[in-house]
Amino acid sequence: QSVLTQPPSVSGAPGQRVTISCTGSSSNIGTVFDVSWYQHLPGTAPKLLIYDNDNRPSGVPDRFSASKSGTSASLAITGLQAEDEAYYYCQSYDNSLSGYVIFGGGTKLTVL
Amino acid sequence: QVQLQESGPGLVKPSETLSLTCVVSGYPISIGYYWGWIRQTPGKGLEWIGSIFQSGNVYYNPSLRSRVAISIDTSMNQFSLKVTSVTAADTAVYYCARQFGYVKHFDSWGQGALVTVSS
Repeated sequence: QSVLTQPPSVSGAPGQRVTISCTGSSSNIGTVFDVSWYQHLPGTAPKLLIYDNDNRPSGVPDRFSASKSGTSASLAITGLQAEDEAYYYCQSYDNSLSGYVIFGGGTKLTVL
Repeated sequence: QVQLQESGPGLVKPSETLSLTCVVSGYPISIGYYWGWIRQTPGKGLEWIGSIFQSGNVYYNPSLRSRVAISIDTSMNQFSLKVTSVTAADTAVYYCARQFGYVKHFDSWGQGALVTVSS
């Protein structure tokens, strides 16, 4: 069971907007630690989509955006395309125990 | 452009030691950044194993700390992972990645190496 909670699946039609939530706690997202998001196609390297809560690396389309509020974060994808079908993971840091990097359980996005 | 490539045996027997190496090209690992290992077990999500800095300063996932060792060889521009006393639960795709800071994001990843633990 992951420390960060994501819905197992979301879906949307081409052109639509979908959001993926990432719920944490006061020992991770609810503190100073940033949230990042990754896109992952099985068999390939995960790709960084968002870092430091709401920043896109160069080359990531502006259809992808994210935000953080309180103990949660969310990723939004607008203008959904077939190529967006993948798994999406949030990631942060937890300062319990001796501190460790944490990932969400992942969300499968299906483009209908 | 930095590239990372994992290598190592794809099959390990139970109770033995899993060893993987990540060769980095296009960027000297002695300059900034942390270098990490992450795994994905079958049907599950991503799990951070640990990260190391050029100085050898290393951070581990508390759940794996007793069985894991990460080392770095700046002369060979590579870093390595050892997991001891493996069981079937350690069967996973193992990724190496470059990390912006030990509490931060991973900006470049290897393709992953499947390691199966089986007799």
